[in-house]
Amino acid sequence: QKEVEQNSGPLSVPEGAIASLNCTYSDRGSQSFFWYRQYSGKSPELIMSIYSNGDKEDGRFTAQLNKASQYVSLLIRDSQPSDSATYLCAVKKGGKLIFGQGTELSVKP
Amino acid sequence: GAVVSQHPSWVICKSGTSVKIECRSLDFQATTMFWYRQFPKQSLMLMATSNEGSKATYEQGVEKDKFLINHASLTLSTLTVTSAHPEDSSFYICSASGVGDTEAFFGQGTRLTVV
Repeated sequence: QKEVEQNSGPLSVPEGAIASLNCTYSDRGSQSFFWYRQYSGKSPELIMSIYSNGDKEDGRFTAQLNKASQYVSLLIRDSQPSDSATYLCAVKKGGKLIFGQGTELSVKP
Repeated sequence: GAVVSQHPSWVICKSGTSVKIECRSLDFQATTMFWYRQFPKQSLMLMATSNEGSKATYEQGVEKDKFLINHASLTLSTLTVTSAHPEDSSFYICSASGVGDTEAFFGQGTRLTVV
């Protein structure tokens, strides 16, 4: 089992729709969770961090964490073509930052 | 977010030579730095984690004698690819994290091509 798992996609949504990205992790002791966005040929940029169960909202982005289910998700409301990128879920475990394989999102105008 | 600067952004070197990549945290003290490698269409693979003043911890399968990591100060870490070969060609990215279990911010990445 991979430490951090994501559906590789691609996930295609129409402009203005909600995009839902999911991630599961294997280590129940993980405490910190992050979503990064990576455009092709660029390095990742941090979108959201979440540390406790529940929802955390920042603009059009909402991160959701459920530690009991070892599940973290990212919702993007009112998706825009500029949101088209690969979204990486990351988990901090034992001082290491481990990434999932990423989900490619395509927002169609 | 915090600023992490990585240089060079791209480099081409001859097989057998060494290449040094620098990663600097510009506006915070980076107690931990991570070095990743990313091949096309693949995710980030953690190569090593370094804490300031300590030896780096390498992931399984990563040759510590080939990928030399130095983290001598709270704002600078370097990765040296020694005796580079074409199979070392990749996108190398550093990430820095401050005190505590905080977010990690990425440098711009270095695209290494070994010819």
